Amino acid sequence: DAKTTQPPSMDCAEGRAANLPCNHSTISGNEYVYWYRQIHSQGPQYIIHGLKNNETNEMASLIITEDRKSSTLILPHATLRDTAVYYCIVRVDPGANNLFFGTGTRLTVIP
Amino acid sequence: NAGVMQNPRHLVRRRGQEARLRCSPMKGHSHVYWYRQLPEEGLKFMVYLQKENIIDESGMPKERFSAEFPKEGPSILRIQQVVRGDSAAYFCASSPSRGSSYNEQFFGPGTRLTVL
Repeated sequence: DAKTTQPPSMDCAEGRAANLPCNHSTISGNEYVYWYRQIHSQGPQYIIHGLKNNETNEMASLIITEDRKSSTLILPHATLRDTAVYYCIVRVDPGANNLFFGTGTRLTVIP
Repeated sequence: NAGVMQNPRHLVRRRGQEARLRCSPMKGHSHVYWYRQLPEEGLKFMVYLQKENIIDESGMPKERFSAEFPKEGPSILRIQQVVRGDSAAYFCASSPSRGSSYNEQFFGPGTRLTVL
């Protein structure tokens, strides 16, 4: 699986959109971009994934650049409960592969 | 539908003892994964199992660690003769064998192992 690069930390004001960037310049054509988050020592929680089209679900939106070398996770209206470490992961699909968790971005939502 | 269950949630062992961590996957899931998270680090893959088979154990330490996922019952991660460096949070995840959520891994709450 390709490596990803994320900023170590970010702050976001409560109620504002949180935009979390991820670089994956060596991504292969058959690798998807996945986002998970881990809220204070809990088990990681799946957020969203995509291949090349932008995706949206009830939690977030995922914007993938046309060359697929980077992506942005958008939390449209951040709340205090969104404070967590966010992991961007690229992996081949389909396949029940393991997930490679890097160091992620620690997002702090400020009241 | 109950989520992934792990027990115990906290486990304290003295050096040299054995630790047994249990994971019950979500109903209908036949794939189980174990990850370890050392303090202030990201999760590291250990092993991937399907019922009665180890598919990928590339992340497992060569000694003292073993895992199984029997036909009946939970998956077990076993650590023999624990050392202080084994202190960590151990997370289990499961995924279904088919369906729209085939590629999602659902994580349990973890077992926090402390070795004294």
